[in-house]
Amino acid sequence: AQRVTQPEKLLSVFKGAPVELKCNYSYSGSPELFWYVQYSRQRLQLLLRHISRESIKGFTADLNKGETSFHLKKPFAQEEDSAMYYCALSGSGSQGNLIFGKGTKLSVKP
Amino acid sequence: NAGVTQTPKFQVLKTGQSMTLQCAQDMNHNSMYWYRQDPGMGLRLIYYSASEGTTDKGEVPNGYNVSRLNKREFSLRLESAAPSQTSVYFCASSANAYEQYFGPGTRLTVT
Repeated sequence: AQRVTQPEKLLSVFKGAPVELKCNYSYSGSPELFWYVQYSRQRLQLLLRHISRESIKGFTADLNKGETSFHLKKPFAQEEDSAMYYCALSGSGSQGNLIFGKGTKLSVKP
Repeated sequence: NAGVTQTPKFQVLKTGQSMTLQCAQDMNHNSMYWYRQDPGMGLRLIYYSASEGTTDKGEVPNGYNVSRLNKREFSLRLESAAPSQTSVYFCASSANAYEQYFGPGTRLTVT
């Protein structure tokens, strides 16, 4: 079964501290993995996807097929990073449908 | 470009009432989606439309119907609202399998 697991509902860190939001997935084929972010009072938007291997707003995520993980990392958290983060999976033949995790709320304290 | 728009932004219904949530996109995307967002549950797919004229069930379709009116518009209908349908509803559209663009959401309360 296809599944995305985000084990932390809430992650609280201080400004300047490293942050890692965990994401594990279950998928038998070759998945595409994404991180979406929802800032307060804003719509959900794509943060990054594993195939682009880019850094957005200082965030990076590496797909680890052995551990079936796609953790989101940032070395120095900023207060403006406070948001809801969703990990999502798209499988081949899924017609672009995304399976979302339950989300992790990141709170960056001053 | 307005992107993905949704109406209404807020709605309160009584149990048993019906209503239609409207969604439109101006990006010429083929695929459109309806999700519901509940605390602790993340986003769950209700229905999707891979192209004009086609619709398919998602993870939680019970109690809902959809219409892909044309390439731009994808509506979600609640025929007989129930308190369990209290949620925030998001519409999204996509041109490919890599990125979905979301609307601002509709906050629905069923009493």
